[in-house]
Amino acid sequence: GAGVSQSPSNKVTEKGKDVELRCDPISGHTALYWYRQSLGQGLEFLIYFQGNSAPDKSGLPSDRFSAERTGGSVSTLTIQRTQQEDSAVYLCASSLVGGNTGELFFGEGSRLTVL
Amino acid sequence: RKEVEQDPGPFNVPEGATVAFNCTYSNSASQSFFWYRQDCRKEPKLLMSVYSSGNEDGRFTAQLNRASQYISLLIRDSKLSDSATYLCVVNFAGYSSASKIIFGSGTRLSIRP
Repeated sequence: GAGVSQSPSNKVTEKGKDVELRCDPISGHTALYWYRQSLGQGLEFLIYFQGNSAPDKSGLPSDRFSAERTGGSVSTLTIQRTQQEDSAVYLCASSLVGGNTGELFFGEGSRLTVL
Repeated sequence: RKEVEQDPGPFNVPEGATVAFNCTYSNSASQSFFWYRQDCRKEPKLLMSVYSSGNEDGRFTAQLNRASQYISLLIRDSKLSDSATYLCVVNFAGYSSASKIIFGSGTRLSIRP
C-alpha cells in the first residue's frame, strides 16, 4: 500500500529490555513525526524530522529514547531499558512538507506493552 | 498550562442535533490550525484545516479567533457516524522553520439515535 507503515504492530516486552519501532513514511514525504498515545489520552509529541535531521527533539521523555532517520525515508524509534510507563501506542506520521500546510498521514501505530 | 487545551467531554447528543467544541492554544505565534478525527483504536485523520476567515465543509464549520487564541468546530445535523474523538491541532513553527505540531487531548462525541 501507499500509506505510512509501522512495525511491529504489537510488541510485548519485559521491563529493562530495549525495543526498536520502525516507521516507513509515504514515499516522497520529507517530514516525519513520532507521537505517543497512552490509553484514553491525547497524542504526546516526541520528535520531528525534516529530511534526516531532527530540528525538534524536545518531546523525547528521557535519554532512554532516541530516534533516527536515514535516506530521508525510514525512521526508527529506540527505547532503551524499557519501563512500564513506556507502555503506549507509538504513532508515526508523515507529510509532504513541514506541517504548516501539509496534512499529516498517520500509520496504524505500534502498541508497546512493557510487563 | 497545556499548549493546546480541549474539553474532554464526553458530549452525548441526539442524532440531528448541533454540537460545538472549542479549543484554546497558548502560543500566540502559532501559524496553522486543524481539526482531526480519531475513531476508537484507530489513527487520527484530518477532518479539516482552519482558516482565519473561517471555513465550512458540508455540515462542519471551523472558526479561528486569533485575538482570544481559540478555534472552534461546529457540527450541524449530527449523524451516528460522527461519533468519534475530535482532536484540535496547532502548528507552532519556530525560527528555524522547524515545525512542532501539537495535538490537544481530544473531545469525545457520542451521537445517540
